[in-house]
Amino acid sequence: GAVVSQHPSWVICKSGTSVKIECRSLDFQATTMFWYRQFPKQSLMLMATSNEGSKATYEQGVEKDKFLINHASLTLSTLTVTSAHPEDSSFYICSARRVDSSSYNSPLHFGNGTRLTVT
Amino acid sequence: AQSVAQPEDQVNVAEGNPLTVKCTYSVSGNPYLFWYVQYPNRGLQFLLKYITGDNLVKGSYGFEAEFNKSQTSFHLKKPSALVSDSALYFCAVRDNDYKLSFGAGTTVTVRA
Repeated sequence: GAVVSQHPSWVICKSGTSVKIECRSLDFQATTMFWYRQFPKQSLMLMATSNEGSKATYEQGVEKDKFLINHASLTLSTLTVTSAHPEDSSFYICSARRVDSSSYNSPLHFGNGTRLTVT
Repeated sequence: AQSVAQPEDQVNVAEGNPLTVKCTYSVSGNPYLFWYVQYPNRGLQFLLKYITGDNLVKGSYGFEAEFNKSQTSFHLKKPSALVSDSALYFCAVRDNDYKLSFGAGTTVTVRA
């Protein structure tokens, strides 16, 4: 159990276009999802915390108008990279926190990531 | 602020030999520590965690980790490494808001 599906797994887009990445919890409800960015051979950097039914909380230095996050349901969060530029090319990974009474100490479950290449 | 450090960028071992990946932490309060593994172009897979209790934590795929409060360390270990263990390993610490802070990662290469 505790599967997180991320789609698409890879995407190539032209500079100036927008790209939407979906993160779904398949077999559990997640009121909180996290979006990370990872550059090659580097660690994961938290971009924002996505909360169902409310605005996302962005980490310092992350442009909220650039990276739009929507958490419309307990199983889906989306990250839209708006007006993408080559410097936005990266590996984006989501994770979800399981919501139930026994999940306080549960690990976060991660999607398989999305490789974004902006040409 | 909470943080973890992984002092080694790379660890190379021969198959069948013991594997250790080092991690030290800095937290205020009780530490919630995790180890994750990442294969190329994939997300992170959970290996094990320390929340409280026994200092020796056993996890997936034969991995274990030892929590050492006096040395503020949480090293990942495997008694006998496999070639398939070659991957990128991350140590992480969780805060009360469930945010994870990751170490820089350690690339493990197990040679046949």
